Amino acid sequence: QVQLQQSGPGLVKPSQTLSLTCAISGDSVSSNSAAWNWIRQSPSRGLEWLGRTYYRSKWFNEYAVSVKSRISINPDTSKNQFSLQLNAVTPEDTATYYCTRGFLKTGFDYWGQGTLVTVSS
Amino acid sequence: QSALTQPPSASGSPGQSVTISCTGTSSDVGGYNSVSWYQQHPGKAPKLMICEVNKRPSGVPDRFSGSKSGNTASLTVSGLQAEDEADYYCSSYEGTNNFVIFGGGTKLTVL
Repeated sequence: QVQLQQSGPGLVKPSQTLSLTCAISGDSVSSNSAAWNWIRQSPSRGLEWLGRTYYRSKWFNEYAVSVKSRISINPDTSKNQFSLQLNAVTPEDTATYYCTRGFLKTGFDYWGQGTLVTVSS
Repeated sequence: QSALTQPPSASGSPGQSVTISCTGTSSDVGGYNSVSWYQQHPGKAPKLMICEVNKRPSGVPDRFSGSKSGNTASLTVSGLQAEDEADYYCSSYEGTNNFVIFGGGTKLTVL
């Protein structure tokens, strides 16, 4: 059974960097048949896919256009986890952030528990 | 990028069937068999109920079914049960920007 356990701060100041980590059990971040995503949810923006990382003989990263200039998703094979960094945050980035396993065309079958991140001074 | 269009609410009595629609464009729903449906209870993460228009992941009751016609996808819940009361979201692959877009969600009430 795949489990995703998120960790990271729930409060970030404007202009700073939001950082979250997702620890994987029951699968591997280096799997050739999985992709690892970050999705956020807010009342104003709804559900929004942010990006993903996956391994197919080499590492690939893909990001949503809306955050492409500010986002980085990185795997950590030594800890079997992946992380999200979102730079220069504003109150608009306040949301519940989820890590997920899945693909753009076939859906996201495992989700982390969610982390509410508030951007406020 | 515009979200997929869902009705804000739907309802039905126990045992009845209810259908929730999800309307997009030829660049997303109409262009690919890549529609998924998620169930979300309050305070919980979304749960994948239907993928690739009409496939049920392991463990999802066969009371849940999906279909698509043109640019509109549908989720049907048959034999409504109290635990089906939740928010439901559709999503689709969007080929122009190579990403996923979601619907705004439908709150399903079991009367």
